[in-house]
Amino acid sequence: EDQVTQSPEALRLQEGESSSLNCSYTVSGLRGLFWYRQDPGKGPEFLFTLYSAGEEKEKERLKATLTKKESFLHITAPKPEDSATYLCAVQDTGRRALTFGSGTRLQVQP
Amino acid sequence: GAVVSQHPSWVICKSGTSVKIECRSLDFQATTMFWYRQFPKQSLMLMATSNEGSKATYEQGVEKDKFLINHASLTLSTLTVTSAHPEDSSFYICSGTSGDEYEQYFGPGTRLTVT
Repeated sequence: EDQVTQSPEALRLQEGESSSLNCSYTVSGLRGLFWYRQDPGKGPEFLFTLYSAGEEKEKERLKATLTKKESFLHITAPKPEDSATYLCAVQDTGRRALTFGSGTRLQVQP
Repeated sequence: GAVVSQHPSWVICKSGTSVKIECRSLDFQATTMFWYRQFPKQSLMLMATSNEGSKATYEQGVEKDKFLINHASLTLSTLTVTSAHPEDSSFYICSGTSGDEYEQYFGPGTRLTVT
């Protein structure tokens, strides 16, 4: 059974204070690992897809990396508008549905 | 990115009644659509997967007679919650994917409150 564990559950940062969110996963075969951003009362917004260990992707202040066991979402010099819940999900080669982690609630204070 | 809409965005219904939620892919053909449920401060839990023109595949523990899913076209899927009860109150989110693409594009969600 696919499993995704995210840490920390919640993170409070000062504006400009860089940090990393962790996503540990277990799958029989990884088709893709996804990062989404979710604002309160909204659906998830797609950020990145990573397919193989060693891959990295960047978008503005966010950078996602992938190893065989975990993924990190690095946030550089965050701003208050980066406050949201960040969700990690995996897609097993055996199916198209995603298995989500419980998310990290990020709060960036000005 | 691709756009998915949901209607209504929120709905309140009385216990015992049924409510239908629509999920539309606006700028792509969604060969597969997924329905998720999210309780407060929890993550998304997959309820069912539907392919256009086929019966939905439900996850273990999800009652298929209670949560009716129809995916009659490449741009529309519906979820009907039948005989709703207060414990069905939740945030329902759909997503769609096209062909062999890996990414799923999510709708904005529907907040269901059963009184």
